[in-house]
Amino acid sequence: SYELTQTPSVSVSPGQTASITCSGDKLGDQYVSWYQQKPGQSPVLVIYQDAKRPSGIPERFSGSNSGNTATLTVSGTLAMDEADYYCQAWDSSHVLFGGGTKLTVL
Amino acid sequence: QVQLVQSGAEVKKPGASVKVSCKAPGNTFASYDIHWVRQAAGQGLEWMGWIHPKSGNTGYAQNFQGRVTMTTSTATGTVFMELSSLRSDDTAVYYCARFNGATHADYWGQGTLVSVSS
Repeated sequence: SYELTQTPSVSVSPGQTASITCSGDKLGDQYVSWYQQKPGQSPVLVIYQDAKRPSGIPERFSGSNSGNTATLTVSGTLAMDEADYYCQAWDSSHVLFGGGTKLTVL
Repeated sequence: QVQLVQSGAEVKKPGASVKVSCKAPGNTFASYDIHWVRQAAGQGLEWMGWIHPKSGNTGYAQNFQGRVTMTTSTATGTVFMELSSLRSDDTAVYYCARFNGATHADYWGQGTLVSVSS
């Protein structure tokens, strides 16, 4: 079965750039979305259709998707960006989520 | 801003069923698929399935086939997710989410905690 693989944790210093990856077979052939989830809260969409930002999401969040890997980039990371991040795609009309990446801002 | 409002927390015994509701505004109910996603404590997001509220068409994840039923009430603009034969590992927060353009969930409900314990 198709799987999306994420690195469990990423650490970044404030003001630096964090890259969170999501891997899957030929993932670049389909759209990927990214969600941010803070403790006790519902997920929030931060990137959709690989690289689009919903209204209200800061420009420091960007996305790309090519080959077997999609990447969420957080530029100039702030303490408030510390959260779990999940990628999402589709497989045969079923929704898939990656296992999630905990972004720690040290 | 679109608000999906879910029903309150539930406590159930193993073997019982639970029915969680998700009330959506009129235009959402008519035009968008609603998906259900659950999350056990400290774990990731697990997709359960979807329903198109207006048509009633559904699609369920293989892990939940035979145990999950998604329905709607057109009169109240509410989507329901019923999970039967509950086990302790069904203890989780259950979310409804509106999917836009069949690619991404742009709005989520506040979540409903379902606890299964004898």
